[in-house]
Amino acid sequence: QSGLTQPPSVSGAPGQRVTVTCTGSSSNIGAGYNVHWYQQVPGTAPRFLINGVTGRPSGAPDRFSGSQSGTSASLVINGLQAEDEGDYYCQSFDSTLSAVVFGGGTKLTVL
Amino acid sequence: QVQLVQSGAEVKEPGSSVRVSCETSGDTFNNYAVTWVRQAPGQGLEWMGGIIPIFGTTNYAQRFEGRVTISADESTNIAYMEVSSLTSEDTAVYYCAGQEGHDILTGYYRDWGQGTLVTVSS
Repeated sequence: QSGLTQPPSVSGAPGQRVTVTCTGSSSNIGAGYNVHWYQQVPGTAPRFLINGVTGRPSGAPDRFSGSQSGTSASLVINGLQAEDEGDYYCQSFDSTLSAVVFGGGTKLTVL
Repeated sequence: QVQLVQSGAEVKEPGSSVRVSCETSGDTFNNYAVTWVRQAPGQGLEWMGGIIPIFGTTNYAQRFEGRVTISADESTNIAYMEVSSLTSEDTAVYYCAGQEGHDILTGYYRDWGQGTLVTVSS
């Protein structure tokens, strides 16, 4: 089953930097398809964070940045704040499945 | 930014069907695509499929092909998603998500509806 793999959880103290990884394969990230990122606070709809082409939407905090290389992608959050707590999802396209795929999500805890 | 407003929560019996609507603000369908994503309780996001309203073009995840129908009414700027033959495994929050342009498969979803909880129970 082609898909995207994320760590179940990450944590960090306020002010620190954390990285959320998204590991794919040669049929998705490795094939050059863009990776996009979303944030979801429990009980609310996902919110678009970063797109794989132009980065952050206007008005989005510059503490968030994304990158991809080979078969993996990363979301980096600098200067962690309490309001950053939530679940983070990566998204890409898989050519084997001919479908959009999401990672399983990573829960970020601010200590 | 486009506002997406979804229809209210539904409770359905196994074997029945449910239709969820997603109303977009303004005259958006000329250069817009709508995708449907669901989230089962305590689980992650799952892509179901999408539509480019101006062309009527649809794409579905293989596991939903034949059981899910996505449509759109250009005159009202409302998109619909219908799931048939419901089982308890279809209990989830269903989201519509939108994007400028027509890149359903590789693009990103800038706008999101508030979600519609569908509960399947006898």
